[in-house]
Order: sequence, then structure tokens, then C-alpha cells
Amino acid sequence: GDSVTQMEGPVTLSEEAFLTINCTYTATGYPSLFWYVQYPGEGLQLLLKATKADDKGSNKGFEATYRKETTSFHLEKGSVQVSDSAVYFCALYASGNTPLVFGKGTRLSVIA
Amino acid sequence: DAGITQSPRHKVTETGTPVTLRCHQTENHRYMYWYRQDPGHGLRLIHYSYGVKDTDKGEVSDGYSVSRSKTEDFLLTLESATSSQTSVYFCAISDNPTRLNYGYTFGSGTRLTVV
Repeated sequence: GDSVTQMEGPVTLSEEAFLTINCTYTATGYPSLFWYVQYPGEGLQLLLKATKADDKGSNKGFEATYRKETTSFHLEKGSVQVSDSAVYFCALYASGNTPLVFGKGTRLSVIA
Repeated sequence: DAGITQSPRHKVTETGTPVTLRCHQTENHRYMYWYRQDPGHGLRLIHYSYGVKDTDKGEVSDGYSVSRSKTEDFLLTLESATSSQTSVYFCAISDNPTRLNYGYTFGSGTRLTVV
């Protein structure tokens, strides 16, 4: 079945460092891909998405490019801030009424 | 928040008692979902609904039931609570997947402790 695999955390970075969180997927057809972020004590929020191959989603300085050839949707940010500390979830939507399939999440801690 | 509220926000209950969590939306979205979040397990889907009175099971549905008698409300019931159901429960809503703005909106969560 459809699945999403994220790099395991936690990831700890210094402020202004470059961030990459890897996400690969397995799906039949052409899924839509998402990144969600969960700040402490809150629900998940949509961060960015891409609906077809080679699309780049971007928001708040974060970017991810839908790579069909490598079945990947890695999240990147050029310079992280302490306020980016959160748990990040990669997810895919396959088709029809099927719910989103989420990865297990990657915890990011950014230290000043 | 984008028109989704969960109640209660916190609850402590005793083993063996029934518990109902409520998810209410004002967005008129067709789809509603219940997840639980536990350390080491990420988000796990319990049940979801794709319309009034239309529901389906997720990966961890045992011990849970749901009802959706109107568009705006999706109820999750633990028939007889157990300690393994101690968790944070999230409700989510979404519009039709064919819409350009498709994506889930999550509630703030309900922290349930079964003692």
C-alpha cells in the first residue's frame, strides 16, 4: 500500500544552519505531497504542498520539490530559527476518498 | 483556527467508562477524521467520515466507534476506556480532494488520560 518514510529524528541544529528533512514515498499513480508542522501543544498545520512532478511548494522560507524519479519530497530551509523548532510530518494523498498517509514525523530542535 | 473545535480539551476518566469526544466544524467540509498521537507512533488514523452517516475504519479502530449525524459534528466514542487509549486525539477536516486548496485542517487536540 501507499506509505511515507521520513528520516528519524530528533534533528538538532544551531540557528542559521541549513535544514534538510528527507521524505520518500511509495504510491501507485501520482500522489499529491504535503508537509505539515506541529508546534508544541498545538495541532498540525499545513506548511506546503505539491500536486505534480517537479512542482515546488514553498512557505515561510521552507521549500520542497516533488521528485518523481526519486519518489522524494525533501523539506529544506536555508537558515533555521529557534521558532522553527517543531515536529514536521510528510504526507501523501493518493486518490478518491482515501485519507492522507502520514510519515511518523521528525522532531527539529533549533538552538540559539 | 479555521472553524474546527474539539471538546473537551482535557479529560481524565476511569478504566471501563465510556467516553465521547466531539469535533465540531463550521467550514461545511465533507470529510472529517479522527487521529491519535502517541510517542514513537506518529499519527494513527482511527476512523474517518466522507459524508453524513458515511464512515470507515482506520488502522487503529478497535475499541472506538464514531457517528456523524450532521455535517458539522463528528463524535468519537471509546466504548469502555482502557489505559492503552491514553493519548492525544486530533480531529481534522478537509474539503473535496479535487479542490486546489485541498489539505487537512486540524483541531487543537484532546488530551485523554485513562486511569
